[in-house]
Amino acid sequence: DAGVIQSPRHEVTEMGQEVTLRCKPISGHDYLFWYRQTMMRGLELLIYFNNNVPIDDSGMPEDRFSAKMPNASFSTLKIQPSEPRDSAVYFCASSIRHQPQHFGDGTRLSIL
Amino acid sequence: AQSVTQLGSHVSVSEGALVLLRCNYSSSVPPYLFWYVQYPNQGLQLLLKYTTGATLVKGINGFEAEFKKSETSFHLTKPSAHMSDAAEYFCAVSKNTDKLIFGTGTRLQVFP
Repeated sequence: DAGVIQSPRHEVTEMGQEVTLRCKPISGHDYLFWYRQTMMRGLELLIYFNNNVPIDDSGMPEDRFSAKMPNASFSTLKIQPSEPRDSAVYFCASSIRHQPQHFGDGTRLSIL
Repeated sequence: AQSVTQLGSHVSVSEGALVLLRCNYSSSVPPYLFWYVQYPNQGLQLLLKYTTGATLVKGINGFEAEFKKSETSFHLTKPSAHMSDAAEYFCAVSKNTDKLIFGTGTRLQVFP
């Protein structure tokens, strides 16, 4: 089975540009999670969905960040406008209720 | 509120030596506990989990962990380290596996 697929793997862009990160969860999984990993703050949960509905977005840093899940097989995390402090590795994970989360390989984002 | 403390951000062992990575948790309800491993430029992979039942949990790659309620601990061990074990290890706690709270991680180095 294919795992969680994230794209792009690397993104380098200039401050102020819009950034869109994409995630395809494992087929049949009804939970989807977005995390951010930095040296300073470690691994932070940004938002998670259940059956395409956002359940907890308390980790989203500010209004510049938004996430959508239009269907069960696709989610996006958007940053607009981007800032250098948004540079991090962003992970998507998916799961079935009461089962462990499966992580994608992440998107390494650099904002210049 | 739930939290996880991983003692020691870096641990170094010789190949063949015992590996011990420490994790203490705080939870107001019976916790679900996890250990994940992260290799460079990859996402997190589940090593093992504790939900209910037997307190000694065996995972992949020869790792195991013991849930000790009286000590609020879930330390990860492996009797004999291998070079391929070098990675970052994360302990996580959850009320129900839907939302994980991660520790800050422990980087394991293995010397020949």
